[in-house]
Amino acid sequence: QKEVEQNSGPLSVPEGAIASLNCTYSDRGSQSFFWYRQYSGKSPELIMFIYSNGDKEDGRFTAQLNKASQYVSLLIRDSQPSDSATYLCAAGYGNKLVFGAGTILRVKS
Amino acid sequence: ETGVTQTPRHLVMGMTNKKSLKCEQHLGHNAMYWYKQSAKKPLELMFVYSLEERVENNSVPSRFSPECPNSSHLFLHLHTLQPEDSALYLCASSTFKYNEQFFGPGTRLTVL
Repeated sequence: QKEVEQNSGPLSVPEGAIASLNCTYSDRGSQSFFWYRQYSGKSPELIMFIYSNGDKEDGRFTAQLNKASQYVSLLIRDSQPSDSATYLCAAGYGNKLVFGAGTILRVKS
Repeated sequence: ETGVTQTPRHLVMGMTNKKSLKCEQHLGHNAMYWYKQSAKKPLELMFVYSLEERVENNSVPSRFSPECPNSSHLFLHLHTLQPEDSALYLCASSTFKYNEQFFGPGTRLTVL
């Protein structure tokens, strides 16, 4: 069964720090990985996707993929209070995404 | 309108009612999805339509009936729901080739 695991948190970081969010996936058949941000009462918003091993940077966000370890991470540099949200990790299998339950991030000013 | 839109945004219905949720995407995508999001549970994929053909039915009870008349519109018809069906129902779309899915704002459904 395809599963994506995330620590539910909350992960608390001070403003300006680096927030590190992690996820693992069970099925090596996935070739694509996604990070979504979901504010309370809102729908998920795609912030990063990564297909290849290594790092992918976009502004303050860096996604990291290690297929050998079946591990995906998201780093948020210079964290802001507006980054406080639930972060969902998803693994892609064909047309399907399998989501983790999400990690709550709290950035304290 | 831009992105993915959903109506209604909120819906309260009794167990004997029939209602429909509507989703429309303005992104030129050719795959559309229905998800259910319950509190503290991962997003659950319900249905996938690709090029207007249903390619996935994730063991969803028959009281949920999807319809995809064209690549821009997706409906979820609801009848004789149960209180445990109360949740946020999300529509998403993507291209068939790439799986970056974009979500609508969702419909918050309450079944009394």
